[in-house]
Amino acid sequence: GENVEQHPSTLSVQEGDSAVIKCTYSDSASNYFPWYKQELGKRPQLIIDIRSNVGEKKDQRIAVTLNKTAKHFSLHITETQPEDSAVYFCAASRNSGYALNFGKGTSLLVTP
Amino acid sequence: DTEVTQTPKHLVMGMTNKKSLKCEQHMGHRAMYWYKQKAKKPPELMFVYSYEKLSINESVPSRFSPECPNSSLLNLHLHALQPEDSALYLCASSPSAEAYGYTFGSGTRLTVV
Repeated sequence: GENVEQHPSTLSVQEGDSAVIKCTYSDSASNYFPWYKQELGKRPQLIIDIRSNVGEKKDQRIAVTLNKTAKHFSLHITETQPEDSAVYFCAASRNSGYALNFGKGTSLLVTP
Repeated sequence: DTEVTQTPKHLVMGMTNKKSLKCEQHMGHRAMYWYKQKAKKPPELMFVYSYEKLSINESVPSRFSPECPNSSLLNLHLHALQPEDSALYLCASSPSAEAYGYTFGSGTRLTVV
């Protein structure tokens, strides 16, 4: 089955700096890569996603890049704010698989 | 309505109890999911229903029994649980059998005593 590795497990940045979280996947048939933000005690919320026919996608301060050849994708958050502090999960899925395979998560702390 | 609603939000049950978790969506989504999430861990898939039929059962113990009465409702029946089953149980739905457009419910925090 699909194996998704996520690094780092914890990340601390100062407000205004950028944060980068990286994931690799093993199943070359995976073609959908969402990122979720989960605040303590709350549900995972989709913040951005990318499909395999696109190399990069941006939404305001958040961007995701995908390298299909190397089987890795990354989340970039610019101009970080304290409210960006949360656990971020990457995931991978393929059309026929229905389910999301999650990475182990990155706990991001943005200090003022 | 763009939400997945789960009830109850919190549940404490004994190991001999029978209880049910409920999930409801009115977005016309045809795939619904149960995930289990332990503290500081990613969600783990338990069951997938596609067009009201069970399509994936990830080797979940029989003390967890899913049910999909119709396209909007998903239940998880619990019986003879163990303390290690304490976790956040998340329901999710997506428009079709693909994983695009997942929407998660807010979850049920289950404690087994």
